[in-house]
Amino acid sequence: AQTVTQSQPEMSVQEAETVTLSCTYDTSENNYYLFWYKQPPSRQMILVIRQEAYKQQNATENRFSVNFQKAAKSFSLKISDSQLGDTAMYFCAFVPRHNTGKLIFGQGTTLQVKP
Amino acid sequence: DVKVTQSSRYLVKRTGEKVFLECVQDMDHENMFWYRQDPGLGLRLIYFSYDVKMKEKGDIPEGYSVSREKKERFSLILESASTNQTSMYLCASCLTLGYEQYFGPGTRLTVT
Repeated sequence: AQTVTQSQPEMSVQEAETVTLSCTYDTSENNYYLFWYKQPPSRQMILVIRQEAYKQQNATENRFSVNFQKAAKSFSLKISDSQLGDTAMYFCAFVPRHNTGKLIFGQGTTLQVKP
Repeated sequence: DVKVTQSSRYLVKRTGEKVFLECVQDMDHENMFWYRQDPGLGLRLIYFSYDVKMKEKGDIPEGYSVSREKKERFSLILESASTNQTSMYLCASCLTLGYEQYFGPGTRLTVT
């Protein structure tokens, strides 16, 4: 079975500091996509960052970057210069390239950025 | 901007009622999805549709059905609501499988 595991249910960070959220996944597929989604309190889920497994270079989007370790099946999210608006639940998700689009989500990590 | 809307933000229904949750997207996306979100479980896929009148079961289809008569609209139906279906329901759509899914605001359903 394909699974995604986020082992940190809750995390906190001081404003302007850096935090890393962990994600591991289990699959026998070789080609797939990985995502981090953000769900702010009472607001819609939005995509933070996307990684294609065949690309060795880690994806970055402004203050957000990933550490993708394919052999270890690890996909962590680093948030630099944390801002109060980063307070949200973060979900790691995975979909095989040739699958019918079924995203598999982790349990989520609630991140609180403290002033 | 892609917009995905859901018919209700909050809904309270009684056990045994038939419940309709509607989702509409305005970007001509082929693929639409229904998830339920529960604390500690993340999002779990109920059903998805990759074309009009086409549907596939997700991980937890029991107790649910779906309808996609038009490309922009995807409905989730609880044939006979039960208390264990109390949850947050999220709709999503995407143009191409494997790319970004756009989510609606969610419907928090309470079944009493």
